[in-house]
Parts: sequence; C-alpha cells; structure tokens
Amino acid sequence: AQSVTQLDSQVPVFEEAPVELRCNYSSSVSVYLFWYVQYPNQGLQLLLKYLSGSTLVKGINGFEAEFNKSQTSFHLRKPSVHISDTAEYFCAVSDGSTDKLIFGTGTRLQVFP
Amino acid sequence: NAGVTQTPKFRILKIGQSMTLQCAQDMNHNYMYWYRQDPGMGLKLIYYSVGAGITDKGEVPNGYNVSRSTTEYFPLRLELAAPSQTSVYFCASSYGGSGKAGELFFGEGSRLTVL
Repeated sequence: AQSVTQLDSQVPVFEEAPVELRCNYSSSVSVYLFWYVQYPNQGLQLLLKYLSGSTLVKGINGFEAEFNKSQTSFHLRKPSVHISDTAEYFCAVSDGSTDKLIFGTGTRLQVFP
Repeated sequence: NAGVTQTPKFRILKIGQSMTLQCAQDMNHNYMYWYRQDPGMGLKLIYYSVGAGITDKGEVPNGYNVSRSTTEYFPLRLELAAPSQTSVYFCASSYGGSGKAGELFFGEGSRLTVL
C-alpha cells in the first residue's frame, strides 16, 4: 500500500530565507507525486506535480520539487520565502492505477518578518 | 467561475442528528471526492465517484453515505452523528481522476462540530 510521510509538522522560517519541506513516499510501482497548498480557511490548491520526465519540477509562486527515486523522496523547496507563503503544505502520492490520492499529514510553514 | 461550492460552511449538530453536506461543481468534471481533514492527520478519503450513478468507498466511509444522481452534485449524508465526525469536510472534483495525474479542485470546506 502506498503511504506518504511528511517529516516535519511545522517549519518556522524568516522572510527571504530558503526553505525545504520534506516528503518521503513508499510505493512498489511507478508513482505520480503532488504538492498541494492550503491557505488559512481555504481549500487546497495544486502547487506542482511530477508525472514523468525531468526530476526537477517547477510550480507556482516560485516553488520547485525534486523527485528522487532512489531515496523515494519529493522534497519541496523555495530559495526565498515571503510572508504570503505562510500556509499548510501537503504532499500526495498516487500509483496511477486508481482514482485516489494518498495525502501526507501536512507541514505548516510559518514565515516570520 | 464558481468551481466547487460547498454548503453549509459551518454547522453544529447534536449526537444522533443527521444532516447532508452539499457539494456542487460547474466544471463538468466526472470525478468527485469527499475528504475529511483532522488536525495532524492530513486528508482522508471518505467516498468518491467516477461519474453519475457510480460511487465507491474511500479509506473512512463508516457513518457516511453519498449519492451521485447528476454530474454536478455529490452530497454527503451523515446519519446518526457522533463526536468522532467532528471535522472539516472538503469536496473536490477532477476531470481525469486524481490518481491518474488529474488535478483536484477543492471547495472551501464545511466545518462540522458534533456535541
């Protein structure tokens, strides 16, 4: 069965600093990987996704993620965060053979001035 | 562009009461989903539908029911509400299925408290 582990429940960071949110998955088959963002009191929206091809994926708002098959990881990065990036970030995985995504438990990114 | 619309946004229920959470989407998506979000637990899939007239269970279906008579609507029914059903509920839709690389579009959520 697939699973997703987000290693950090909270990540505090100062504005303009770099950030990395970690995500590891377990699956025995090829996977599709996603990062979703949830701003306060809103639903989730897609940040970026990895389907195939280049292992470095660029998303909205300056975020990017790197798919590492040997380490079964899909970490999210941003070189310089803004106050407006304060939100909860969810990693999700699918093996592509079902109609379901499995979500991680989320990482709350708090950006301080 | 309404996208995915959920009602109500907030509701308090007494133990044993029943209610229906409404979800509508105007994007003509075939796939629709109901998730619940609990603090520190991420999102858990309750039920999903791949088209009108077709529904299937997710990870945590007990205590819930769904129906999908049209493409647009996917209501979630809670029978005999229990405190364990206190949560934030999200409806989502996608064109090609979330697991097959389709993007999920979420509503703003319905916060339910059972006392």
